[in-house]
Amino acid sequence: ETGVTQTPRHLVMGMTNKKSLKCEQHLGHNAMYWYKQSAKKPLELMFVYSLEERVENNSVPSRFSPECPNSSHLFLHLHTLQPEDSALYLCASSQEDTSTNEKLFFGSGTQLSVL
Amino acid sequence: RKEVEQDPGPFNVPEGATVAFNCTYSNSASQSFFWYRQDCRKEPKLLMSVYSSGNEDGRFTAQLNRASQYISLLIRDSKLSDSATYLCVVGRGSTLGRLYFGRGTQLTVWP
Repeated sequence: ETGVTQTPRHLVMGMTNKKSLKCEQHLGHNAMYWYKQSAKKPLELMFVYSLEERVENNSVPSRFSPECPNSSHLFLHLHTLQPEDSALYLCASSQEDTSTNEKLFFGSGTQLSVL
Repeated sequence: RKEVEQDPGPFNVPEGATVAFNCTYSNSASQSFFWYRQDCRKEPKLLMSVYSSGNEDGRFTAQLNRASQYISLLIRDSKLSDSATYLCVVGRGSTLGRLYFGRGTQLTVWP
C-alpha cells in the first residue's frame, strides 16, 4: 500500500468546471505538498503546508485553491482552468524537523486534461 | 540559468551495461542531493540520497562534486527493470519543501 493516496487518477474537465483533487497520507508526516509536472518540464512546486498552515504559495494562479483540513489530508480545488493547466498533479508528504525532511513521498498523481 | 540541469537522454543500453548520468546545479548553497526514479506514468520515488563522501547501494553508486557542482549516478550491470526516468534533485536544506528537480534522464535497457 502506498503511503500517499491520491484521487482521482485521471480527470478530464472543461474550462468552466469545478473539481477537486484529494490527497491522503498514512505516514504520520506533518508537511504536505502539491507539485505540477508538465511534459518535458521539471516538477514545479505549487503549495507547501506545514502543520496544516500554508507556508508557501509558489506564485500559483488563483484558479488553483489548496485546502489542508488536517495533517493527513490535502485538497486542490480547481475552477475555470485553462488548457495549459493540463498536467500530472502530484501530492507529496514529508516529516519536518528531522534529518529526512527533504525526502518526499509522492502519491500516484492525478493526470488532468483540460478541454 | 536553471537550478538543476540534466541531459534528458534517452540513454539506450543493453542489459549488463554500465551507464552513468550527470547532473549540474547552479546554487553553491545547496546542501542536500538526491536521485529519484520515475517510471512511465507513475510517481517519482526516492532512489538514493547523495552524500559528500559518495555512497553505494547495490548496483547504484552516487557521487557529489561540490567544487564543480555536479552529481552523478552510476548503474552497473543494468537490468530491464532499471528502465525509467532518473530525476536529479537538489535541496537548500533550510527551507521546507525547497527542492529543485531536474527534467530527468530517460533510460531504456534492452535485452
